[in-house]
Parts: sequence; C-alpha cells; structure tokens
Amino acid sequence: NAGVTQTPKFQVLKTGQSMTLQCAQDMNHNSMYWYRQDPGMGLRLIYYSASEGTTDKGEVPNGYNVSRLNKREFSLRLESAAPSQTSVYFCASRAQTSSGNTIYFGEGSWLTVV
Amino acid sequence: DAKTTQPPSMDCAEGRAANLPCNHSTISGNEYVYWYRQIHSQGPQYIIHGLKNNETNEMASLIITEDRKSSTLILPHATLRDTAVYYCIVRTSGGSYIPTFGRGTSLIVHP
Repeated sequence: NAGVTQTPKFQVLKTGQSMTLQCAQDMNHNSMYWYRQDPGMGLRLIYYSASEGTTDKGEVPNGYNVSRLNKREFSLRLESAAPSQTSVYFCASRAQTSSGNTIYFGEGSWLTVV
Repeated sequence: DAKTTQPPSMDCAEGRAANLPCNHSTISGNEYVYWYRQIHSQGPQYIIHGLKNNETNEMASLIITEDRKSSTLILPHATLRDTAVYYCIVRTSGGSYIPTFGRGTSLIVHP
C-alpha cells in the first residue's frame, strides 16, 4: 500500500522556470490537498480538491495552479517560479469515515528556486 | 472550528512518559480531537483521535477531559525517535473539511 506518493522529491529551478509537482494516492480518497512548509513554520494550505473535478484556493494560492486529473492524482504547477516559492511541498489526502477524518501525507517535495 | 492551544516546546527523558497537553476550550459537541506528528523532514503522520472517550492505540493514548475542553496525548515510553512536532487539531467528522495545522509542540526526547 503506497499511500500518498509525490514526485519529484528534490528539484532545483531557476527563477522563471515552470514545473509540476505530481501527487497520487491509492486509497480511493475524494479529498486531496497541497501544502507548503517553510523553515520553522507550520503547514500552509495552497489548494485543495474536495472531489474529482473540483479545486479551491487555500491560504496561499498565488503563483500556483492545480489540476485534479482524476480521483487518484492531484498536481501542483508553478508557472513562473520565484525564490519565495522555495519550500517543502506536501500533498495529502483525506479518509472520511463515520468516526472522523484522517489525513495521509506524502513524504514531501523539496523545491529550491535560485 | 475550535481553536487549539499547545505549548511551543517540551522535553522528555527517554523511557519516560511524554504528556503533551492541548487546550480546546471552545470545542463543540460534534468536534473530534486529532493528533498528528511530524518528524523532521517527513510529512505529518496521524497518531490518534477521539470524541469523548479516552482512546489508545499502538502509538499513544489520548485522554480527553470530561468537559472536553482539553486533552493530553501520552507517549507511554518515549524514545529518541519520538522527537517531533506534535499537532493537536479539532474538527468535525464530515462536511467540508480543510485540515489546518498550527505551530504544534516541539517535543525533544533526550537520552
């Protein structure tokens, strides 16, 4: 059971370059999320997708776009990378049951923009 | 959603119990208490959650006060690998759910 898988794990970009972070979950979850985490900070929500075909902005969406390609996959795109987007990015999905919600996270993608 | 308050940092000796408090005085009746932890350089990991009753699993125990305004996560025999940031979150079980993580408690387990 792979859970939530993110690629790439590490990436260095030049300012202005574009790239896409890929995320896939094999748990048949409806909801998926993208967070960023800066040093010493908590997790900040960038975008989320409550179900296949829907996406919504989170706390810090500027500079990013997302695509919920299907139920399994939720990608995050940086169209023109900026040094301020240097961060660790986490993808997550949510299991919703009658006894509550459990969030499963990927292992993170370390992005450096120079 | 109810706001939570946690101490920014704690430390514990290896082999001893680590008791991490969380205050959620504005919790409503249908809100669960969740605990996650984030080991350095890894994604957060679910630990345990509960509504009213105390809960225990292979990782930890969760003690919720009778008035539900606070809770304590207990790691019964802390190891060095339990050094992590621990997040306490309060949310309902259904509806539109946007997980929000604050600063949490940085637990350092020392030899």
